[in-house]
Amino acid sequence: NAGVTQTPKFRVLKTGQSMTLLCAQDMNHEYMYWYRQDPGMGLRLIHYSVGEGTTAKGEVPDGYNVSRLKKQNFLLGLESAAPSQTSVYFCASSYNRGYSYEQYFGPGTRLTVT
Amino acid sequence: DAKTTQPPSMDCAEGRAANLPCNHSTISGNEYVYWYRQIHSQGPQYIIHGLKNNETNEMASLIITEDRKSSTLILPHATLRDTAVYYCIVRPYNNNDMRFGAGTRLTVKP
Repeated sequence: NAGVTQTPKFRVLKTGQSMTLLCAQDMNHEYMYWYRQDPGMGLRLIHYSVGEGTTAKGEVPDGYNVSRLKKQNFLLGLESAAPSQTSVYFCASSYNRGYSYEQYFGPGTRLTVT
Repeated sequence: DAKTTQPPSMDCAEGRAANLPCNHSTISGNEYVYWYRQIHSQGPQYIIHGLKNNETNEMASLIITEDRKSSTLILPHATLRDTAVYYCIVRPYNNNDMRFGAGTRLTVKP
């Protein structure tokens, strides 16, 4: 199993450009998440999805959109990138097992907006 | 969600037990305590979680005080590979919003 994979690993954007980050998981997890991590800080939840075709806002959703057209994929879009969106982006997935919600994380995408 | 307080950094000698404290004095009855760690710049890794009983798995032990206001993560025999930032998170079991604070940076020294 590859687990959770993220594409691309690195990206540099200019202010105003758009891009899509792809997250894929092969563990048949129902739930998927997008986080951002700024230097020296913990992770903050951007958006999440509890199943195919559903998405919900997290702690810091502004400036981002997401889509979950297939169970194994979760896309994060930046329509008009800003320097404040420079960060490392992590995707995660988890089962829905009642009380058990361990999340499995991908390796991250390092995004720089100039 | 209950707020957690962790020391910003700790050192531990290789081969010794690492005891990482977490204070969560405002925890509610339906909130679990989760521990994750992040090695260098990798994605966080789940370690263990518990409600009110002590828990142990192949990675660590979790000791939760009887009043549930604090907990301790124990790595019984720390190795250099355990050097990481350790996050203590408190949230209800049915809540998808995992709030990571700044964590504790554990450095295991030879």
